Amino acid sequence: GAVVSQHPSWVICKSGTSVKIECRSLDFQATTMFWYRQFPKQSLMLMATSNEGSKATYEQGVEKDKFLINHASLTLSTLTVTSAHPEDSSFYICSARQGWREASSYNEQFFGPGTRLTVL
Amino acid sequence: RKEVEQDPGPFNVPEGATVAFNCTYSNSASQSFFWYRQDCRKEPKLLMSVYSSGNEDGRFTAQLNRASQYISLLIRDSKLSDSATYLCVVNPPESYQKVTFGTGTKLQVIP
Repeated sequence: GAVVSQHPSWVICKSGTSVKIECRSLDFQATTMFWYRQFPKQSLMLMATSNEGSKATYEQGVEKDKFLINHASLTLSTLTVTSAHPEDSSFYICSARQGWREASSYNEQFFGPGTRLTVL
Repeated sequence: RKEVEQDPGPFNVPEGATVAFNCTYSNSASQSFFWYRQDCRKEPKLLMSVYSSGNEDGRFTAQLNRASQYISLLIRDSKLSDSATYLCVVNPPESYQKVTFGTGTKLQVIP
């Protein structure tokens, strides 16, 4: 099956610093990548959708200047949490999708293993 | 009405039991559907796609009811290892529209 990696798997940083998380599709080209955030005992919350070569589409309430997303290639997307604060501590998960076909299992998303961010 | 709704549970069932979850969706034009499984502190993993004709994989059966706008997941002969949160995912009719995750149904299989 398709494999998506994330790096780092966990990170601890000081308040005010920036953290970059990488998401890579290892054995397929991902036209679309998604970034999610999940707080303990809560459901996945979509933060943004990014298509290769274009600007990310952010969900309501997600600050695009704080969560910078770059999807420069078909196999790599990055999320940078700028000026991180303790309330940004969360589990960040990316997913990747090959493409889009109507009513098809081709549309499934493959998830990375997640990055656990702790901001002190 | 929420775009995708699931009973959060938890469903506590004994080993060997059969358990079923439903997931309702509001957009009748939705095209593709999936069940994912998420273990505690881990990423979601695809369990199965849901086709119009239904889909069976071992002890797991998924079905789609377009008329009533829900998908279901049936687990037979529950194992302890089935304990997890089960997420339903609904894909919109167009690629630029948002994919919607349900909040998940928690299953606990007890010995």
